[in-house]
Amino acid sequence: QQQVKQSPQSLIVQKGGISIINCAYENTAFDYFPWYQQFPGKGPALLIAIRPDVSEKKEGRFTISFNKSAKQFSLHIMDSQPGDSATYFCAAPDGGSTLGRLYFGRGTQLTVWP
Amino acid sequence: GAVVSQHPSWVICKSGTSVKIECRSLDFQATTMFWYRQFPKQSLMLMATSNEGSKATYEQGVEKDKFLINHASLTLSTLTVTSAHPEDSSFYICSAFLADSLGDTQYFGPGTRLTVL
Repeated sequence: QQQVKQSPQSLIVQKGGISIINCAYENTAFDYFPWYQQFPGKGPALLIAIRPDVSEKKEGRFTISFNKSAKQFSLHIMDSQPGDSATYFCAAPDGGSTLGRLYFGRGTQLTVWP
Repeated sequence: GAVVSQHPSWVICKSGTSVKIECRSLDFQATTMFWYRQFPKQSLMLMATSNEGSKATYEQGVEKDKFLINHASLTLSTLTVTSAHPEDSSFYICSAFLADSLGDTQYFGPGTRLTVL
């Protein structure tokens, strides 16, 4: 069973537009929600993360919105740029005995057209 | 801060040989590291959890005799693919766990592209 469900699988946005990627989870014990950005041939890089005690976190053009009651969180990329074209993964911690283990979504391939 | 390196970045080997991949946390100590495998356009598949000073924990379906993991120090974990075959060709990525101000965070290495001929 997939612990974190991510959508859409792919996303095409025009330069300057808003990119929105959504994730949903089931385990209410999850208490940390990071987003990773991965460029082709590279390892994932931590982009932004949120804890469930806040509903939104913004860092530059990147914002995480968190809806605890709906068990959903999303990544918004404002003023999307061609350099943002990458694969984005949401994640949530194991919550069990393996400290630090994360469950990853299946990823969203974002393409930003100039 | 929180930089993780991997070596080599790519390797090509003949079928039947063994390949060792190193994962180092450069500016922090990591009692736990993780090894992933990633196929093109797919998500990260956790292979095993590496704990310093103890045996690695492998995910279901991962052959522990084929993928040997050693976590000899707080900054180094190694993955050895033994008797590699073409089906082992993949992108291998490690990560190191750090409990910091953000949370229980995994920091990833740049990955190693393995091609088995």
